[in-house]
Amino acid sequence: DAGVTQSPTHLIKTRGQHVTLRCSPISGHKSVSWYQQVLGQGPQFIFQYYEKEERGRGNFPDRFSARQFPNYSSELNVNALLLGDSALYLCASSWDGGDSPLHFGNGTRLTVT
Amino acid sequence: KNEVEQSPQNLTAQEGEFITINCSYSVGISALHWLQQHPGGGIVSLFMLSSGKKKHGRLIATINIQEKHSSLHITASHPRDSAVYICAVRWAGGGADGLTFGKGTHLIIQP
Repeated sequence: DAGVTQSPTHLIKTRGQHVTLRCSPISGHKSVSWYQQVLGQGPQFIFQYYEKEERGRGNFPDRFSARQFPNYSSELNVNALLLGDSALYLCASSWDGGDSPLHFGNGTRLTVT
Repeated sequence: KNEVEQSPQNLTAQEGEFITINCSYSVGISALHWLQQHPGGGIVSLFMLSSGKKKHGRLIATINIQEKHSSLHITASHPRDSAVYICAVRWAGGGADGLTFGKGTHLIIQP
């Protein structure tokens, strides 16, 4: 069974541009959450989706948005990129988004120049 | 602000040594996760705990709810255990807030 897959693996963008990151959860998992990990720090929570509804949002500006599709895959969108958005973006899936085990993807490394 | 603190930040040990990594948190939780992150970024979930103790191979995780503290132990450490170990919690009643992560413990096991 495939694990959590994220695409692309690496991405280089210029300040002011827009980016879309994609995540496919483990089959049967209905919850996807997104995290930002800046170099040398622990991940920070961005969004959680369950059954296509936003269940939670971290302390990120409105430039960050996400959605979950009927097949439970998810996209994270970031508008008007800033240099500080350079980070590893991690997606995690779980069965119900509560205290069920989490499975992480390998992340998308975004560099903003 | 609810916080998760890990110690030590960095740890270098010799192969075979017993390793302990600590995690403390500020308020009540519904679950605590221990995660392993290798260079390149991929994260593997090691344990999810809400009470007591769990063991998997050479890894043992314990949690003391009253003291708001958890430990991850590695017995008979091996160079392949070298990684960043991260503690993450879900605050009690905070299911919509995702996980809050510690900054991680960078472990190096020398042969």
